[in-house]
Amino acid sequence: SAVISQKPSRDICQRGTSLTIQCQVDSQVTMMFWYRQQPGQSLTLIATANQGSEATYESGFVIDKFPISRPNLTFSTLTVSNMSPEDSSIYLCSALTSGGTQYFGPGTRLLVL
Amino acid sequence: QQQVKQSPQSLIVQKGGIPIINCAYENTAFDYFPWYQQFPGKGPALLIAIRPDVSEKKEGRFTISFNKSAKQFSLHIMDSQPGDSATYFCAAKAGIIGGYQKVTFGTGTKLQVIP
Repeated sequence: SAVISQKPSRDICQRGTSLTIQCQVDSQVTMMFWYRQQPGQSLTLIATANQGSEATYESGFVIDKFPISRPNLTFSTLTVSNMSPEDSSIYLCSALTSGGTQYFGPGTRLLVL
Repeated sequence: QQQVKQSPQSLIVQKGGIPIINCAYENTAFDYFPWYQQFPGKGPALLIAIRPDVSEKKEGRFTISFNKSAKQFSLHIMDSQPGDSATYFCAAKAGIIGGYQKVTFGTGTKLQVIP
């Protein structure tokens, strides 16, 4: 199994600023991902965080807006840049273990004013 | 073809009832079907998963029924309890290890179990 922690758990930010979300997994995992979830909605994949190389972004998400780092097998960051109220959402870190099970972190609740 | 259709959107049952959540898919390459449970303010947690080589899997009070020919699968919660009140997501993925394909999630079902 894998236990995922995220920091911060929630934040209120002003438009035009940036926020970096940290994700730490308690064991080595094969893949890490970042999702966005609007309250009451399903999960939307933002990108796959690749260790030591550029993340792979899904359609509609770009690196300039959501830069992602993954310096090692257990840690990743997602930055939400130049925020607007439309970026208000829950951001979830996820990890895939070598056994093929995907786990999720508790989420970061972001409100942009 | 990558969609997973989930129904109902919401469900209210009495304690002890058996809520059933249904999902359907089109992509025959899907070979792993997990269900996630999400409580308010928490991230989704893996509840139970099934591969298409079996028609049913039970873990405690949770059962997945799988119909490969119909490309449908469902979650049954036996003897439901108020603590089961949560949002449930079905999902599907092609490839388990190595040849990873991203998980496709259903739209979610909000379950409320009334005491």
